[in-house]
Amino acid sequence: EIVMTQSPATLSVSPGERATLSCRASQSITSNLAWYRQKPGQAPRLLIYDASTRATGVPARFSGSGSGTEFTLTISSLQSEDFAIYYCQQYNNWPPWTFGHGTKVEIK
Amino acid sequence: QVQLQQSGPGLVESSQTLSLTCAISGDSVSSSKADWNWIRQSPSRGLEWLGRTYYRSGWINDFAVLVKSRITIDPDTAKNQFSLQLTSMTPDDTAVYYCARRCSLSTCSRAFDLWGQGTMVTVSS
Repeated sequence: EIVMTQSPATLSVSPGERATLSCRASQSITSNLAWYRQKPGQAPRLLIYDASTRATGVPARFSGSGSGTEFTLTISSLQSEDFAIYYCQQYNNWPPWTFGHGTKVEIK
Repeated sequence: QVQLQQSGPGLVESSQTLSLTCAISGDSVSSSKADWNWIRQSPSRGLEWLGRTYYRSGWINDFAVLVKSRITIDPDTAKNQFSLQLTSMTPDDTAVYYCARRCSLSTCSRAFDLWGQGTMVTVSS
């Protein structure tokens, strides 16, 4: 099973600033990585797939990069709705598809 | 607009069976482009994929090893929905349970692009 490790666990950022989140896979997953945002009381929402492709309707302030085992999600200018928890997920090796434990982005 | 609507009880007694349903609108459980999944989330285990059902010239199910002996996922084409049954529930199964669609074609995301609203399931001991 591929283990996904996210860092940091919590990121404190001021509104309008940039946030950079990391995700590491325990073995190469090429570019088969997705990022999700989860607001309190809601289901996760797909933001990025194939490591760098924004899902339909996702604002341009979200960008993803990386391949192999190291990945990054960047939010260029944090809006109020972006203070949430972010998860990465690999879909390269199955079973099972696996998720990271999340990075909480909080208001500084 | 494509939606997934979950239904089912939020409280299950220990050793009993959890039954949840996910109704699909705007897509088809028989679609050759998607598979239909159950995922759960708890503070201790995080997001955990449980299993899926999909149609490719016949119905196919896949399950996580962790729950393989206890899980059933059934499609219902007449009602355009799919269900989850998880037997022998214990307090460790307490979690929010989600249904989710995954687009399975190489030309689409292959990630979970549509989620149900979630059902908080508590297992009483």
